[in-house]
Amino acid sequence: DAMVIQNPRYQVTQFGKPVTLSCSQTLNHNVMYWYQQKSSQAPKLLFHYYDKDFNNEADTPDNFQSRRPNTSFCFLDIRSPGLGDAAMYLCATSRDLGTGDEKLFFGSGTQLSVL
Amino acid sequence: QQQVKQSPQSLIVQKGGISIINCAYENTAFDYFPWYQQFPGKGPALLIAIRPDVSEKKEGRFTISFNKSAKQFSLHIMDSQPGDSATYFCAASGGYGGATNKLIFGTGTLLAVQP
Repeated sequence: DAMVIQNPRYQVTQFGKPVTLSCSQTLNHNVMYWYQQKSSQAPKLLFHYYDKDFNNEADTPDNFQSRRPNTSFCFLDIRSPGLGDAAMYLCATSRDLGTGDEKLFFGSGTQLSVL
Repeated sequence: QQQVKQSPQSLIVQKGGISIINCAYENTAFDYFPWYQQFPGKGPALLIAIRPDVSEKKEGRFTISFNKSAKQFSLHIMDSQPGDSATYFCAASGGYGGATNKLIFGTGTLLAVQP
């Protein structure tokens, strides 16, 4: 089945130690998103890629970076994780149809813990 | 103005009852209003969505009611079942001048349907 796959499911890192989360998709969607979801809160958009064009949200900290080497893969890099970065990180994809109501397909997320 | 306010935070319903979750928004440029369902350990999945040109949309046991003048919309789950127990997020998007579907999520409602 076509899907959005996130690895690893759980990630533990140390305070200040760089960490990379990965996302892959078999849907061939041109848009990929990274959301941060803290416990009992709404998912918050960090940034998205429209094809190779990177679009950062204004309030996303500089500590968060992203790479999209090809259509299928997207990475979230946290350069110096702080305790406040502990959260579920959700990757999502959509196919741009120009209608503004494209369905987002989410992965199961990576739960990041910072010790 | 970019917020979507959701209530209640949690909801307990008896099997067979009606679950009602409400959302309100301020940005009149929003033109797409989906509801996402999220089970523990999974990413959100699109449940049902509506555009503001209609006041109601029904899919099976799930109905969205939309009140454009009040800037409110709600999800009704008829004949609620234990399998409906999940967190429900309303969301909104639109008015960004681009085609990418950047969703603003509500804070979520944890629904528990008791057998």
